[in-house]
Amino acid sequence: TQLLEQSPQFLSIQEGENLTVYCNSSSVFSSLQWYRQEPGEGPVLLVTVVTGGEVKKLKRLTFQFGDARKDSSLHITAAQPGDTGLYLCAVGSSNTGKLIFGQGTTLQVKP
Amino acid sequence: NAGVTQTPKFQVLKTGQSMTLQCAQDMNHEYMSWYRQDPGMGLRLIHYSVGAGITDQGEVPNGYNVSRSTTEDFPLRLLSAAPSQTSVYFCASSYSSFPGAYNEQFFGPGTRLTVL
Repeated sequence: TQLLEQSPQFLSIQEGENLTVYCNSSSVFSSLQWYRQEPGEGPVLLVTVVTGGEVKKLKRLTFQFGDARKDSSLHITAAQPGDTGLYLCAVGSSNTGKLIFGQGTTLQVKP
Repeated sequence: NAGVTQTPKFQVLKTGQSMTLQCAQDMNHEYMSWYRQDPGMGLRLIHYSVGAGITDQGEVPNGYNVSRSTTEDFPLRLLSAAPSQTSVYFCASSYSSFPGAYNEQFFGPGTRLTVL
């Protein structure tokens, strides 16, 4: 059983469209991170959310942490081909030091 | 700073062979970890270390050994390679021993391993 469930797993859209990807869990977390990974490279941190209901914006990307701190969403406005990649959510354990990732959402934005 | 470096970038092994994947970081980070990435599975934690001399198991530790004799280096050893270990392996490091709030994981470029 995955601690973090991401949906959808795959998304292929045209340039200019909007999209939302989700990261859900039955557990409560003190913080959640979103990473983006481009082909042939390691993941790179986009944002960390820590407060229930928190909304953070990074240019055309909007991240939200659920009120109960069990889920998060990533919304992209007017997607561009440069947004293509694998989007991963991750949570850390303050007790064990582990960082666990969801299975990822593969996004393809066609010109 | 070079950040997190991994060698080799590509490797092909035969079943039963052993090898060590190297990982080094020059950021004086306490926390280091190894992940494997397979299609549709995201990143799965193999082993991690919260400081020199301290290691612990992640989600999928079987078939892998690690040690952390220095802050900088965290090698991953495959004792007897199996085809199920064909994957892309990523090493990561972060400043804090307890990744979470405001604690960015820095990843290496990955090692693509094929076991025949």
